[in-house]
Amino acid sequence: GAGVSQSPSNKVTEKGKDVELRCDPISGHTALYWYRQRLGQGLEFLIYFQGNSAPDKSGLPSDRFSAERTGESVSTLTIQRTQQEDSAVYLCASSSRVNQPQHFGDGTRLSIL
Amino acid sequence: AQSVTQPDIHITVSEGASLELRCNYSYGATPYLFWYVQSPGQGLQLLLKYFSGDTLVQGIKGFEAEFKRSQSSFNLRKPSVHWSDAAEYFCAVFLSGNTPLVFGKGTRLSVIA
Repeated sequence: GAGVSQSPSNKVTEKGKDVELRCDPISGHTALYWYRQRLGQGLEFLIYFQGNSAPDKSGLPSDRFSAERTGESVSTLTIQRTQQEDSAVYLCASSSRVNQPQHFGDGTRLSIL
Repeated sequence: AQSVTQPDIHITVSEGASLELRCNYSYGATPYLFWYVQSPGQGLQLLLKYFSGDTLVQGIKGFEAEFKRSQSSFNLRKPSVHWSDAAEYFCAVFLSGNTPLVFGKGTRLSVIA
């Protein structure tokens, strides 16, 4: 596609439920990134993929968070047993190489009731 | 240790006034440098980047930035601000190897009439 696509754009769920967020990167981009952005805050790095492997998982907040990527395509970020503090915008980005500019999607706004 | 610093959390300028947003990095060599803008409810958009060569780089929306090695800075400028420039601005650096971009905490720009 023309840009990075994220779905859903908004997600409201009850505390304790699992959620899955999807990211479609720009075609041909080998690197893919996930960030969390709390209201009024900066970017919190979660994880990045080079191809379908994740060299850096250091930003995942807890073992409730996991991410997968299929080849050099779609990625999913899964949050299990959601907590209210998980409420945030989750941004995905992709780049042709790790030292090249990242292109961002519009994010998924997650609200935990 | 923080690799990139944006000293100003919030800046307010009058429409038509000039703008300078500060960004400093800490790294021995010259990194790749980027500025992004984030409008409310949207992802980040690349304004400009510096890899090498001419230290004054032009970007989109009338923005420019100047790399100053002696000051480890990459400040963003615009001669005349428009109300539509009100947004969050992020500086980012690529340091080396396979480490993804490191983002500053952002500067929120407000524009008043």
